[in-house]
Amino acid sequence: DAGITQSPRHKVTETGTPVTLRCHQTENHRYMYWYRQDPGHGLRLIHYSYGVKDTDKGEVSDGYSVSRSKTEDFLLTLESATSSQTSVYFCAIRDRGLNTEAFFGQGTRLTVV
Amino acid sequence: KQEVTQIPAALSVPEGENLVLNCSFTDSAIYNLQWFRQDPGKGLTSLLLIQSSQREQTSGRLNASLDKSSGRSTLYIAASQPGDSATYLCAVREYSGAGSYQLTFGKGTKLSVIP
Repeated sequence: DAGITQSPRHKVTETGTPVTLRCHQTENHRYMYWYRQDPGHGLRLIHYSYGVKDTDKGEVSDGYSVSRSKTEDFLLTLESATSSQTSVYFCAIRDRGLNTEAFFGQGTRLTVV
Repeated sequence: KQEVTQIPAALSVPEGENLVLNCSFTDSAIYNLQWFRQDPGKGLTSLLLIQSSQREQTSGRLNASLDKSSGRSTLYIAASQPGDSATYLCAVREYSGAGSYQLTFGKGTKLSVIP
């Protein structure tokens, strides 16, 4: 299995509080991604990174920010959590090259009450 | 905008049967297609990646085909086993602008293999 660790695995938080999810990789892959998975919507890209300090927005980036200060860590922050951000969040990594596989972490289940 | 469709949404088969899962996409300008499986409460496990120049890719009992021009891919599972029960997702990689290549996912087919 690809060396991807997401933390925490489960979190319950209150509306309006900031929340940070962490993705850590040991593969030295260039690209890192944050997705959310919701029933009826499938997987949707939130933000991604193509290198240290290089990030860009995905399809559903509103209310989220990211940071990547080291190759191995990609942080996703919900600036002020809302109930609509209750979801399962997945981190993915991919090596350089167009035809390289994406590998996913085990997910973080976030509940905003 | 690319749309990826997987039909049926759920499928139940008896153990030992060969089966085919379908994936279709609306824009054929893709670079590759990747099949994943997802077990309940788990992350996605990569099964196969087919490059746009390829027609087939095989791994064990799995065979994936790609017909880029018609916007279709199939995942063939031979001699199905209860352990194959999972949700199967396909995703296409395409150019999304500003030097970025992103995956667009289907919603998956939930497979149940009955002993």
